[in-house]
Amino acid sequence: GENVEQHPSTLSVQEGDSAVIKCTYSDSASNYFPWYKQELGKRPQLIIDIRSNVGEKKDQRIAVTLNKTAKHFSLHITETQPEDSAVYFCAPHTGGGNKLTFGTGTQLKVEL
Amino acid sequence: SAVISQKPSRDICQRGTSLTIQCQVDSQVTMMFWYRQQPGQSLTLIATANQGSEATYESGFVIDKFPISRPNLTFSTLTVSNMSPEDSSIYLCSVGGAGNTIYFGEGSWLTVV
Repeated sequence: GENVEQHPSTLSVQEGDSAVIKCTYSDSASNYFPWYKQELGKRPQLIIDIRSNVGEKKDQRIAVTLNKTAKHFSLHITETQPEDSAVYFCAPHTGGGNKLTFGTGTQLKVEL
Repeated sequence: SAVISQKPSRDICQRGTSLTIQCQVDSQVTMMFWYRQQPGQSLTLIATANQGSEATYESGFVIDKFPISRPNLTFSTLTVSNMSPEDSSIYLCSVGGAGNTIYFGEGSWLTVV
């Protein structure tokens, strides 16, 4: 099965700073790499994803980079805002059957 | 995209009782997944619900504790049996969409007292 590690487990940044969360996985067959944001009391929401044939993807203030050789991918948030405060989960998977293995989560706190 | 309705959204249950959570999808899907999220923890897959066959359970989860039904391609239920305080969690159903996108129901917040 897939072993997934996420670092850091907590991250505090000042508003306007950048935040980076790293996800390391073990299954070399993984070919789809999503990031989910979970606000307090809500379900996880997909915020960005990347596939194995792409090295980087950007969507406004968020981006994901993938290093398949090293088996890790990272979430980058620039110009952080208080509404970015949430728990972020990576969930690499092989695509077949849509079964996800979630990382341990990163609590991001954006301070004013 | 898929719209998933889950109920109950929230419940407080007595220990020793059982509760059934329902998940309804607005389109036909081959597989539905049930996840548990204990307080302050990540999501853990309980089982995969397949239409027409028994559910496939992950390590650490058994059918007697978490029986699952999948009567058709748009509906599934998860029962949490003989509940104890350790079962207090968020239970989420999910389905896969086009391009590996995963959709989650709103979740069922269970507290066992």
